[in-house]
Amino acid sequence: DIQMTQSPSSLSASVGDRVSITCRASHSISTFLNWYQQKPGKAPKLLIYGASTLHSGVPSRFDGSGSGTYFTLTISSLQPEDFATYYCQQGYVTPRTFGQGTRVELK
Amino acid sequence: EAQLVESGGGLVKPGGSLRLSCAASEFTFNNAWMSWVRQAPGKGLEWVGRIKSRTDGGTTDYAAPVKGRFTISRDDSENTLYLQVTSLKIEDTAIYYCVTDSRTKYAFDMWGLGTMVTVSS
Repeated sequence: DIQMTQSPSSLSASVGDRVSITCRASHSISTFLNWYQQKPGKAPKLLIYGASTLHSGVPSRFDGSGSGTYFTLTISSLQPEDFATYYCQQGYVTPRTFGQGTRVELK
Repeated sequence: EAQLVESGGGLVKPGGSLRLSCAASEFTFNNAWMSWVRQAPGKGLEWVGRIKSRTDGGTTDYAAPVKGRFTISRDDSENTLYLQVTSLKIEDTAIYYCVTDSRTKYAFDMWGLGTMVTVSS
């Protein structure tokens, strides 16, 4: 199975900050890397697929990059509604696997 | 608006069984690949398994922890996805989400609200 490792596990930031989350895959997954946002008590939502393509309706302050085994999710200017947990997930092979999540909290 | 609505969760004893359902609407369900993803309380996301569309063979794949105990099926005439869970263990306690498994995005692009399964004696 492909292991997905996110860092950091959590971070504290302020509105307007630029934040980045990294995701590493244990084997190359090309650009079959997706990012999800989950708010407390809610289902996750797809943010980015194919490492860098924004899903419909996702604000342009979200940016994804990377290929192979190293990927980054960047939020250019953190907004109040962005405080949530973010998960990466590989869509390269089954079993599909997720990172452990990164919680973005208000400083 | 396209949506997925899960049902069938509840409290069950270890070793018990349940059948979860997911009603799909406002999209072409019979063409969709569908997966189940679960989330234990306070934990991360875990893929459970997938069923392809009937035109793509209708085959299923499962995560190792549930293989042989869980069965995914679909009724395209009723736009409904099922997850039969048997021989339940304490560690199967989780919210179970029904998701569309996009063949073009290779991502889970639509999620239901989830249904809670609690395994406890």
